[in-house]
This record gives sequence, C-alpha cells and structure tokens, in this order.
Amino acid sequence: AQSVTQLDSQVPVFEEAPVELRCNYSSSVSVYLFWYVQYPNQGLQLLLKYLSGSTLVESINGFEAEFNKSQTSFHLRKPSVHISDTAEYFCAVSDRYSTGFQKLVFGTGTRLLVSP
Amino acid sequence: NAGVTQTPKFQVLKTGQSMTLQCAQDMNHEYMSWYRQDPGMGLRLIHYSVGAGITDQGEVPNGYNVSRSTTEDFPLRLLSAAPSQTSVYFCASSYSSVSGNTIYFGEGSWLTVV
Repeated sequence: AQSVTQLDSQVPVFEEAPVELRCNYSSSVSVYLFWYVQYPNQGLQLLLKYLSGSTLVESINGFEAEFNKSQTSFHLRKPSVHISDTAEYFCAVSDRYSTGFQKLVFGTGTRLLVSP
Repeated sequence: NAGVTQTPKFQVLKTGQSMTLQCAQDMNHEYMSWYRQDPGMGLRLIHYSVGAGITDQGEVPNGYNVSRSTTEDFPLRLLSAAPSQTSVYFCASSYSSVSGNTIYFGEGSWLTVV
C-alpha cells in the first residue's frame, strides 16, 4: 500500500517569488509519481509525472519536480510564480508494477496562493 | 473532443433521496473511475471499471453503486443520500500504456446533502 503526505495545506507567496510544495510518499514497492493541479471550480489536470529515467521532470509552464528515492520525496518547485498559478496542487502515486487499472493515491493537497 | 463530461455540476439533495451522477467519455478509454474530494483528505477512489460489465470497489465504496453497460458511460448512484456524502465528485477515464495509465478527469460535480 502507498501513502502520500503533503505537509503544507496552504502556501502564500508573492508574485515572482520562488516556491516549493513538498510531497513525501511511503510505499513498499516502486511507484510512479504525479503532480496534479486544480484551478478553482475545475477538475484536475496533470502537471507532470515521474516514470523513470532522469529524476528531474519539468512541465510546460515552468514547474519542475525532483524524485529523491532516498528521501522518498517528490517536491514541486517554480523559480518565479505568477498570479495565474494560484490553485490547489495534489501529489499522487501509483504502483509501478500494477497491471491494468492503476489506482492513484493522493495527498491532501496544497493550496498555493499568489498575491501581487 | 469533449473528453470526460459530468452532469449535473451542482446538486442539493435531502437526506434519504436518491440520485445518479452521470459520467460520459468519448475517448474510447477502457478504464473509468469515480473519486470523491473532501477538505483535508485529497481524492479517494469510490469505484472503478476496467471495461463494460466489469466494476470493482475502491477505497470508499459504501453508499454508492455503479454499473458500466457501455464503454462510454459510468454512472454513480446514491441510493439513500446522507450528509456524509456531501462532497465534490470527480469522474475519470484512463487507458494503459507502456508508461502506465494516462488519466483524464471531468470537471467535477458538487453535491450537498441536507
């Protein structure tokens, strides 16, 4: 079984400042790792994912996350945030070796609040 | 391409009433699933389906029924609504590939049970 911990329920930050949203996971098997973003009153959109290979993965809108196996972490970072990045961010894991339907286990979410 | 469509978007129910949340996908995905989202708890899997006629329970199935008569549709039924079922419900469709499942979420259905 897997579990995901997002320690920060809310992260306030000023526009153009850097931000890090923390995610730690627990699993007895190898996992795939994901970050999803949910804008107000919308569904979840995949932001980025780690499957294998390079431990640093990037999204098209400037976010990046680094898989750290020894610390079982997958923190999300952005060097300079915009007002439009205000949203809730969910970290999730799934069992890498599960065939067929892969159940996602989500963290409790971190609300990023970007102010001018 | 509509993707995953959920209806209704908002609904208020009285305790004990029944209702069905509709979900349809037009991507011919083999897998469909329902999640509920509650404050401070993230998303939790209710039920899922790996194909027409095949469904299974997720993490929090009690109080909900599902069926999958076609590839496209995966309705979620609340037989006797309870205040504890007040939540935001997300339907998702997905398919498997060499890089795992690729998942698409609907825009959510906000349900309040009074």
